[in-house]
Amino acid sequence: EAGVAQSPRYKIIEKRQSVAFWCNPISGHATLYWYQQILGQGPKLLIQFQNNGVVDDSQLPKDRFSAERLKGVDSTLKIQPAKLEDSAVYLCASSPGLGYEQYFGPGTRLTVT
Amino acid sequence: QKEVEQNSGPLSVPEGAIASLNCTYSDRGSQSFFWYRQYSGKSPELIMSIYSNGDKEDGRFTAQLNKASQYVSLLIRDSQPSDSATYLCAVNILGNEKLTFGTGTRLTIIP
Repeated sequence: EAGVAQSPRYKIIEKRQSVAFWCNPISGHATLYWYQQILGQGPKLLIQFQNNGVVDDSQLPKDRFSAERLKGVDSTLKIQPAKLEDSAVYLCASSPGLGYEQYFGPGTRLTVT
Repeated sequence: QKEVEQNSGPLSVPEGAIASLNCTYSDRGSQSFFWYRQYSGKSPELIMSIYSNGDKEDGRFTAQLNKASQYVSLLIRDSQPSDSATYLCAVNILGNEKLTFGTGTRLTIIP
């Protein structure tokens, strides 16, 4: 069974530029999560989807971050404009449903200069 | 008080010994508990889940849950150098349906 796919794996941008990350969850997984992980910290949930609906986006900085999961499968996370403090690893995870085990993709390492 | 607390370490354990990792959580409504292993530069990998009080064993790993004392632990028997990683504790609260992670404990197995 294929795991969670993410792209790109690495991205370097200048501050005030925009960037987008893509995630394809494990087949059949209804729930998809985007996390931000800063070095030395645990992952912090940004947004959680159940199928194509948002369950929780309370920690998403909505003035610059947006995410969508239009057809209930793939998802895109966008940052516009980026700030230096957005430098982090962005992890996508999926699970069969709410409250089940989550499986992580390889992540995208973002560097904002 | 942090929702999920772990000792950041580093925790050094000799090869072949038992490594003991601890995690405490603040919300008594917590229902599901997970341990993830994260190698440097890699993403978290699920290694154990536990939902009820007591012990759950899987190979060299044992998860222990005590809801009354609000702690969950992970024991690694016969520690190997390949076990050197950061171990993340994650807790799911019923009705919240999102995982809250601790900051992780860095474990080093000394050959």
